[in-house]
Parts: sequence; C-alpha cells; structure tokens
Amino acid sequence: SYELTQPPSVSVSPGQTARITCSGDALPKQYAYWYQQKPGQAPVLVIYKDSERPSGIPERFSGSSSGTTVTLTISGVQAEDEADYYCQSADSSGTSVVFGGGTKLTVL
Amino acid sequence: QLQLQESGPGLVKPSETLSLTCTVSGGSISSSSYYWGWIRQPPGKGLEWIGSIYYSGSTYYNPSLKSRVTISVDTSKNQFSLKLSSVTAADTAVYYCARHNVEVFGVVLLYFDYWGQGTLVTVSS
Repeated sequence: SYELTQPPSVSVSPGQTARITCSGDALPKQYAYWYQQKPGQAPVLVIYKDSERPSGIPERFSGSSSGTTVTLTISGVQAEDEADYYCQSADSSGTSVVFGGGTKLTVL
Repeated sequence: QLQLQESGPGLVKPSETLSLTCTVSGGSISSSSYYWGWIRQPPGKGLEWIGSIYYSGSTYYNPSLKSRVTISVDTSKNQFSLKLSSVTAADTAVYYCARHNVEVFGVVLLYFDYWGQGTLVTVSS
C-alpha cells in the first residue's frame, strides 16, 4: 500500500525556521496537504495543494514541492506552533487517501 | 460557518458493529463540490482515513478497512454515517468526520477543510 514518510520529530528554537518533509512516490502526480494538530483538538488544515494557505493561517506557514518530496516550512517559529503536523495526499489513482505518520514539532 | 458533529456510542463490545453519525450544519451535504469523510486516530497514534461518500451515495474506502466498512448518507437529515463491523481493540480510536474537497469530474480525492471535534470510541467487553 502507498505510504507517506515524515520524520518523527523536529526541534527548533523560537524565531528560527522549521522544515518538515514528507516523501512519497505519487507526490509528483498528486497534491499534498498539511494539517496541524494540537493535543485534544481536531486537525487544522494549514496548507493545501502543495503551497496554498487557507484564510486565517499565518503567513509564516508555507509549502513547497520538489519531485517526490514536499516540505512544510514555518518561518519565525512561535511557541504556539508546537504541535503534531501531518502531511496527506492521494495514491496515484487519486481515489485512496493517505496520511503521513506525523511529525512532532518541539519549540525549545 | 459549516459545523460537523459526531454522535454515537462511546463503548462497543469486541466482534460487534461500531456505528457513528455525523450531522452537518451551516451548509448542505448535497453540495456538488464535496465528499464527506471519516478519519480515525488511535490514542497516541497518527491519522487514518476510513472512507468518504458523495451525496449521491458514491463511496471510496481505505483498502485496508474496506471489507468491514459501510458509509451511508441521509440527505434529508443532512447526515452521513459510518458502520465498522467485527471490531477489535485495535479499532479503539477518536473518530472524526470531515468535509472532503474533491475534483468531482474524474474523481480525485483532495483535502479535508472542516472537521468535527471527534468522538472517542473504545472497544472493550
């Protein structure tokens, strides 16, 4: 079955830039999406279609794509950004959804 | 503002069927632009897509769960429902319903933009 691979954890100091990667063979063909999830809360969409930002999401959140890897970048990380981040996409047919395993972002 | 709310039993016995309903308010489930999906998250673990349904009844399921899952829609009540049969402890999770953006023509499943708050279902005797 199709898988998306994320690093389990990323740590950054406040004000620094955090980069979280997500790799998958179908990513050149399918869009990627990113969700932020804080403890006890539902996930929140922070990036859609590789690099688009929903309304209400701070400009410090951005997304990019290169081949089989997509990257979520958080510039000027703030303490409130500490959360789990999940990438999501579809398989090559576009009819089966897959989530990455999640990355825990720790703000030191 | 679109809102989704999950409802159903919080405790299910092993081998029985888990049943949940998602009620959509602030918008119509019959919108032509969206599917409606179920996602779950075992305690301390990641997200897993279960399946999604269109208002017409067209469905897509996670291949790993397909043999046990049925998702249905009731447009008159603006609700969609999940049934998961033959549950085990491994099905213990927070279950979320969400609006699923899609490319309707030549279906391509895209992203989830509105989520319910989630409901914990525990499988235990």
